[in-house]
Amino acid sequence: KAGVTQTPRYLIKTRGQQVTLSCSPISGHRSVSWYQQTPGQGLQFLFEYFSETQRNKGNFPGRFSGRQFSNSRSEMNVSTLELGDSALYLCASSLVSWQAYEQYFGPGTRLTVT
Amino acid sequence: GENVEQHPSTLSVQEGDSAVIKCTYSDSASNYFPWYKQELGKRPQLIIDIRSNVGEKKDQRIAVTLNKTAKHFSLHITETQPEDSAVYFCAASIPDDKLIFGTGTRLQVFP
Repeated sequence: KAGVTQTPRYLIKTRGQQVTLSCSPISGHRSVSWYQQTPGQGLQFLFEYFSETQRNKGNFPGRFSGRQFSNSRSEMNVSTLELGDSALYLCASSLVSWQAYEQYFGPGTRLTVT
Repeated sequence: GENVEQHPSTLSVQEGDSAVIKCTYSDSASNYFPWYKQELGKRPQLIIDIRSNVGEKKDQRIAVTLNKTAKHFSLHITETQPEDSAVYFCAASIPDDKLIFGTGTRLQVFP
């Protein structure tokens, strides 16, 4: 089985712009979670989607949003980018839930905001 | 909300020695505690997890212990090898809620 894939792998944006990141889960996996990883804050949970519905949400401002499509692919969007949004954004997929089944991470999208 | 503290932030051991990483959580309702290993430049990978109805779990050289009363859990790696060098993250979650990570421990195993 192919692993979790994320596109693009690298992205450079300017403050104030918006960005959309994409995640394709492992075939058959229905849960997709998103995480932000920074040297200072470590790994932080953004949100989780299951069957096209947001199931859990972390403590991030409304500028961070996401969605999931019927084929379980997920996108996350960050509007009005700030310098502090520079980070590695990881998505992870699980069969149903990371609490019940192992979640597998993608390689991440490294976002740099200038 | 849930908060997870992880210690130490860095740990250096000689090959063959044991390594212990400790985490403390704040919400007594937490019931799931995974550990992830992230090698340099690579994605996190689940290495072991434990649920609140179990006190200890082992998988070859890796073990995790959970003390619900004290609200802490620990990762134990025995007979460490250079390939164990990585950043290790603990995490905790309450049912149907978000996963909260510790700040990570950078483990270096010297040959």
